[in-house]
Amino acid sequence: RKEVEQDPGPFNVPEGATVAFNCTYSNSASQSFFWYRQDCRKEPKLLMSVYSSGNEDGRFTAQLNRASQYISLLIRDSKLSDSATYLCVTSTGGGNKLTFGTGTQLKVEL
Amino acid sequence: GAVVSQHPSWVICKSGTSVKIECRSLDFQATTMFWYRQFPKQSLMLMATSNEGSKATYEQGVEKDKFLINHASLTLSTLTVTSAHPEDSSFYICSARDGRGREAFFGQGTRLTVV
Repeated sequence: RKEVEQDPGPFNVPEGATVAFNCTYSNSASQSFFWYRQDCRKEPKLLMSVYSSGNEDGRFTAQLNRASQYISLLIRDSKLSDSATYLCVTSTGGGNKLTFGTGTQLKVEL
Repeated sequence: GAVVSQHPSWVICKSGTSVKIECRSLDFQATTMFWYRQFPKQSLMLMATSNEGSKATYEQGVEKDKFLINHASLTLSTLTVTSAHPEDSSFYICSARDGRGREAFFGQGTRLTVV
């Protein structure tokens, strides 16, 4: 079983739609959580960190459920430019090692 | 924000040759850098942790004699793929944290094709 699991998609949604991605992690020692975005053939870039209380950044909302070891990302009012692969990432406390999910591919269409 | 620069962006080499990839932190010092490999439609897999002034720590299943890592300064780590074979063809990415925040910064990645 992968340490960080995501549905690979692709999710095809119309522009303006609201879409949510989920992620589960198996390492209960994980303490830091992130969503990264990766465009085709490019390096990953941090989209947002995920906090226990949930956090929002513009059209993006992230939630963390430590009891269920579950992370989510909600994108409202999807734009064409949101098309990318979204990577769920965890890290154990104190260390710098990141563990990546396989990513969920999003395609926003006209 | 902090910048990590990786070169070359892509390389095509013949089987049996060695390829060196450089990863530089441009505006911060990185005592630790990370090397990842990503095959098509798969997640980034950590290969090794590069430690300035000491030996790299390799993940299980990664051959240290094949993937040579040198971290001679606080701003430069290199990964050398020795005696490359077609199965080594992949996207190699380095990353580093600047120590001030939680964000990891990634190099642009190197797409290696071994023919």
